[in-house]
Amino acid sequence: EAGVAQSPRYKIIEKRQSVAFWCNPISGHATLYWYQQILGQGPKLLIQFQNNGVVDDSQLPKDRFSAERLKGVDSTLKIQPAKLEDSAVYLCASTKLFGQHTEAFFGQGTRLTVV
Amino acid sequence: AQSVAQPEDQVNVAEGNPLTVKCTYSVSGNPYLFWYVQYPNRGLQFLLKYITGDNLVKGSYGFEAEFNKSQTSFHLKKPSALVSDSALYFCAGSNAGNMLTFGGGTRLMVKP
Repeated sequence: EAGVAQSPRYKIIEKRQSVAFWCNPISGHATLYWYQQILGQGPKLLIQFQNNGVVDDSQLPKDRFSAERLKGVDSTLKIQPAKLEDSAVYLCASTKLFGQHTEAFFGQGTRLTVV
Repeated sequence: AQSVAQPEDQVNVAEGNPLTVKCTYSVSGNPYLFWYVQYPNRGLQFLLKYITGDNLVKGSYGFEAEFNKSQTSFHLKKPSALVSDSALYFCAGSNAGNMLTFGGGTRLMVKP
């Protein structure tokens, strides 16, 4: 079974620029998550999708971050404009079932450096 | 608000010795608790979870965790550590209505 695919693996941009990350979850997984992991901290949930609908985006900084999952499969997370404090690893995860009791499968992440 | 705490930034243990990585939680209602491991340049991998039932949960790679409701803890354990167990370990928790909250992580160093 193929895992969660993310691209790019690394990205370096200047502050105020825009950047987009892509995630393809495991086939058949209806729930998709985006997490932000700042160096030395645990992952923090940014947004959760169930199919193509948003379940929870309460911690997404909506003035600069946006995410979509138009066809209920792959997803894109965008930052526009980026700030220095956005430097982090952005992790995508998926689960087969909906519900917090289900373990998540994580991609390798995209390491973003904002300079 | 729910929270998960990992009080140790790093745990050092000699190969062959038992290891414990500590986790405490503050989750209303019945908690769902997880342990994940993160190797360098790799995503988080699921180790084990507690949903309900037996307080001792067994997971991948010989790891186990004990749910203790009175102490609100979910410590990760392994009877005999391997050098290859060296990694970053994350405890996470939620209840049925809330999102998954991760602890800050504990780096496990197993020395030969």
